[in-house]
Amino acid sequence: DIQLTQSPSSVSASVGDRVTITCRASQGISRFLGWYQQKPGKAPKLLIFYASTLQSGVPSRFSGSGSGTDFTLTISSLQPEDFATYYCQQGTAFPRTFGRGTKVEIK
Amino acid sequence: EVQLLESGGALVQPGGSLTLSCAASGFTFSTYDMTWVRQVPGKGLDWVSSITKTGATTYYADSVKGRFTISKDNSKNTLYLYMNSLRAEDTAVYHCARDLLASPFWFDEWGQGTLVSVSS
Repeated sequence: DIQLTQSPSSVSASVGDRVTITCRASQGISRFLGWYQQKPGKAPKLLIFYASTLQSGVPSRFSGSGSGTDFTLTISSLQPEDFATYYCQQGTAFPRTFGRGTKVEIK
Repeated sequence: EVQLLESGGALVQPGGSLTLSCAASGFTFSTYDMTWVRQVPGKGLDWVSSITKTGATTYYADSVKGRFTISKDNSKNTLYLYMNSLRAEDTAVYHCARDLLASPFWFDEWGQGTLVSVSS
């Protein structure tokens, strides 16, 4: 199975900060990586797929990059509604696997 | 508006069985692959099973293979998860999710989930 390692596991940031989350795959997955946002008590929301393609309706302050084994999710200017947990997920093979999540907290 | 509404979650004893349903609306269900993902409250996301749009091909996590069965009734716009030989470690909220249409490698719509608790 392909393991995804996210870092950091949590980050404290202020509104307006730039936040970067990384996801490392245990083997090359080309660009078959997606990112989700989940708020407490809510279902996950797809933000980015194919490593850098923004899902419809997602604000442009979110961006993704990377290929192979190393990927990043960047929030260019953190907004109050962005405080949540973020997960990466690989789509290159079954079983689909998720990272363990990164919690973005208010500083 | 796309809606995915799960039902069927319950408290069940170890070794028991349960059937989850996911009623879909607001899109052409027969043209989408579908997936179940579970989440222990307060923990991360765990992929369980996926099925292709016609139901011809299914995929399972090793942890549920041989115990769970996914199926899809396109005439009823409903996704199912038949769960047998349940274990304590199957306790979680179970979400159904729609695979992205042109790229069925990620999940673009999710239900709120239904809670399965396995305990004596």
